[in-house]
Amino acid sequence: AAGVIQSPRHLIKEKRETATLKCYPIPRHDTVYWYQQGPGQDPQFLISFYEKMQSDKGSIPDRFSAQQFSDYHSELNMSSLELGDSALYFCASSLNLWGTPMETFGSGTRLTVV
Amino acid sequence: DAKTTQPPSMDCAEGRAANLPCNHSTISGNEYVYWYRQIHSQGPQYIIHGLKNNETNEMASLIITEDRKSSTLILPHATLRDTAVYYCIVRVLIQGAQKLVFGQGTRLTINP
Repeated sequence: AAGVIQSPRHLIKEKRETATLKCYPIPRHDTVYWYQQGPGQDPQFLISFYEKMQSDKGSIPDRFSAQQFSDYHSELNMSSLELGDSALYFCASSLNLWGTPMETFGSGTRLTVV
Repeated sequence: DAKTTQPPSMDCAEGRAANLPCNHSTISGNEYVYWYRQIHSQGPQYIIHGLKNNETNEMASLIITEDRKSSTLILPHATLRDTAVYYCIVRVLIQGAQKLVFGQGTRLTINP
């Protein structure tokens, strides 16, 4: 079965640079989420999209933005990178229209800011 | 969403049943109990969820007390691959706004 695809798997950037993370949800899933997991921490919700519209927002810095495109893939754009942005970034997708959602997570993008 | 309390760590012998407790004493009538797990540095994985009744799937069983203030996730025959952090999450399901709020979780170690 198709899973959630994230790219790249690893990314190394310097401070003040920009990074773009991509997420391809499971086909026909209507909701995409982004989570950030710092070293030794639990995943923290950043932002979500339901049917390509932003549906919820967590503790996402103003330097970050995200969008979902017509083909349902999503991108997380991160500018003016800081050392503290080094983390695992997970994308998840689910079908929320019917019943109860069961999110499927991607393998994550490990971002290292140096 | 209601707060949950889980033991920070547990050990279980391989082949035995692993019983992971979760307290959610402030749960509301319309809140579901979800369980996810995260194997080291992998994406979290959905395990099971329930509202009132006990649930079972190919991965685990979920036992919810009658007053819904606590629940137990049961892995019937734990294997080494079940070593992970297990998260109990209580959530209201609203269309289009259904984020997961991960708490501390229980670090389950399966020993050979």
